[in-house]
This record gives sequence, structure tokens and C-alpha cells, in this order.
Amino acid sequence: EVQLVESGGGLVQPGRSLKLSCAASGFTFSDYNMAWVRQAPKKGLEWVATISYDGSSTYYRDSVKGRFTISRDNAKSTLYLQMDSLRSEDTATYYCARHGATLFDYWGQGVMVTVSS
Amino acid sequence: DIQMTQSPASLSASLGETVSIECLASEDIYSYLAWYQQKPGKSPQLLIYAANRLQDGVPSRFSGSGSGTQYSLKISGMQPEDEGDYFCLQGSKFPLTFGSGTKLEIK
Repeated sequence: EVQLVESGGGLVQPGRSLKLSCAASGFTFSDYNMAWVRQAPKKGLEWVATISYDGSSTYYRDSVKGRFTISRDNAKSTLYLQMDSLRSEDTATYYCARHGATLFDYWGQGVMVTVSS
Repeated sequence: DIQMTQSPASLSASLGETVSIECLASEDIYSYLAWYQQKPGKSPQLLIYAANRLQDGVPSRFSGSGSGTQYSLKISGMQPEDEGDYFCLQGSKFPLTFGSGTKLEIK
């Protein structure tokens, strides 16, 4: 059974940093691109970033480029999102998702990030 | 960026009724289109990919169609468990973009 379990969320002040993790199991992690998707409270879904199966390519939405870094450790089957210079508009539930040919076919349960002073 | 215009924003349907949700892309997305259902407090679940392919385990009352810039999701025979929010997603080009969502309720 495919499982994606996010961790690392919480309350952080504007301008500070936070690192999210996503532990994957039930599939060969190194075979798949992975992504982060977020959802602000009571809002729609927003793609944040994608990393290729081997980590050689990364893609970001413009609003997080230069502030967020997606990475992975295939030996640990873990996906990361390093978030720096956080802003109030980054407040959201962050989901990791498997990014395959069917787009996002499996999602984690989500982790809440609140940016507030 | 490719804009995904989803309609309607909300929809109320009776049990057994057939409902449709539309997504219009701002340019050709070559059927790189998926549909998701999300229930309150839960993560999205994939229903349809490649515009018309049913994800394993999804009831056959869900179907997708479309090509080019116009796509639709149909639920043939509304069931109580179909209440929730529905989103389309284009995967043709980065940045990947979602529709704004449709809230589907039982009438």
C-alpha cells in the first residue's frame, strides 16, 4: 500500500524557515517524480514544486522560486521542502504527492504551516 | 501560465441525478488533465487522468471527456458519498495549475 506521511509543519514567524519532510513507502520511491502541493485555508489547490525521480531536475512556481527548495533522499525514501523567508501568504496545508504519468495519483494526509507573528 | 476556468463553482444535485463539471484551459493541454475529489479535512483523491481514464478503484459512474481546451467530468447517478469538492488539474506545462473547484452537494 502506497503511503506518504508528511511532518515538520507548525507555527513560524514571517521571514523564518521551516523544513517539511515526506516519508514514502509501498512503492519504489526512486522510480517516481515527487511534488509538493498546498492549500490555503478554505481555498483551492496550488502546485508548489516538483522534483524528478533522480533529483536532477526541479521545478517551482514563481511565488516560491528562490525561497523554497525541493529535494529528496532516495536511500531514505524521503522528500523534503526547505522553506526560507516565509511569508503570511505561505500559510497553508502542504501535501506531498507522487507525480507520475497520471499526475498526482497518491497524496499524503497534509501538514499545516502557519506563518504569523 | 495556463489558466483553468472551472464551472460551476457550486452545484446541488438530487440522488440519482447526472451532474457535469467543466474545465476550460486557456490553451491546448493535449488531454493532460486530471480530476480530483476532496472531502472536508481530507487529501484529494484522483478520479480521472489523461482526460478520460478512470483511476483504479473509482466507481464507474465517474467519467471524463474532452480534448484541446475543453474538458468535463460527469457523475452518472449522484450518490451521497459523492458530496465534496472537485478540482481539475492540467499537467501539460509547468506551472501545473488547478481549476478553482466545484462544491457538490446533495439537494
